[in-house]
Amino acid sequence: DGGITQSPKYLFRKEGQNVTLSCEQNLNHDAMYWYRQDPGQGLRLIYYSQIVNDFQKGDIAEGYSVSREKKESFPLTVTSAQKNPTAFYLCASSPPGQGIHEQFFGPGTRLTVL
Amino acid sequence: AQSVSQHNHHVILSEAASLELGCNYSYGGTVNLFWYVQYPGQHLQLLLKYFSGDPLVKGIKGFEAEFIKSKFSFNLRKPSVQWSDTAEYFCAAYGNKLVFGAGTILRVKS
Repeated sequence: DGGITQSPKYLFRKEGQNVTLSCEQNLNHDAMYWYRQDPGQGLRLIYYSQIVNDFQKGDIAEGYSVSREKKESFPLTVTSAQKNPTAFYLCASSPPGQGIHEQFFGPGTRLTVL
Repeated sequence: AQSVSQHNHHVILSEAASLELGCNYSYGGTVNLFWYVQYPGQHLQLLLKYFSGDPLVKGIKGFEAEFIKSKFSFNLRKPSVQWSDTAEYFCAAYGNKLVFGAGTILRVKS
């Protein structure tokens, strides 16, 4: 069964702590993305990676970091520098070529910082 | 800057009513257009897409959308909604990157 998995589904952290969100895909897609979803704001791009060992900042990268050591995995770290980290985080991937414009999404992780 | 605007944030309809959700984009070049849907508790999934060709695009579950280049629009339509269409709908456009609209929450009353 091909797809994107994100874990955990719900995550609670204390203010000031870093937290890492997992994203794994077995679709053999090259490109992977992290979005943040807030009510009434749609999806905003945090980071993206088009190839292993390379990634680029999106529109709201401040306070976040990523790594792409394996094709299948693109973990996102929410650092203590992120001013308002409580949100729903979505990971996505897209196939190469023309299909790169169509993204496939994981189930999301809801992060709550207390 | 590339942007996507969805006209309504909340829409409430009765079953069997017709649906039209507005979407306008701004980008000077060629765009690929998408509608995604997020049912309660489920993944964001693709409803339909337009890359080229016939501007009237058919998607899953009886949805369709029409690309009108002169109006920079890609409105989503369904002739008769069902209670199971209750969800949040996102329009997205890929010009030089994928940009999402703010979303429209549709509630269908049974």
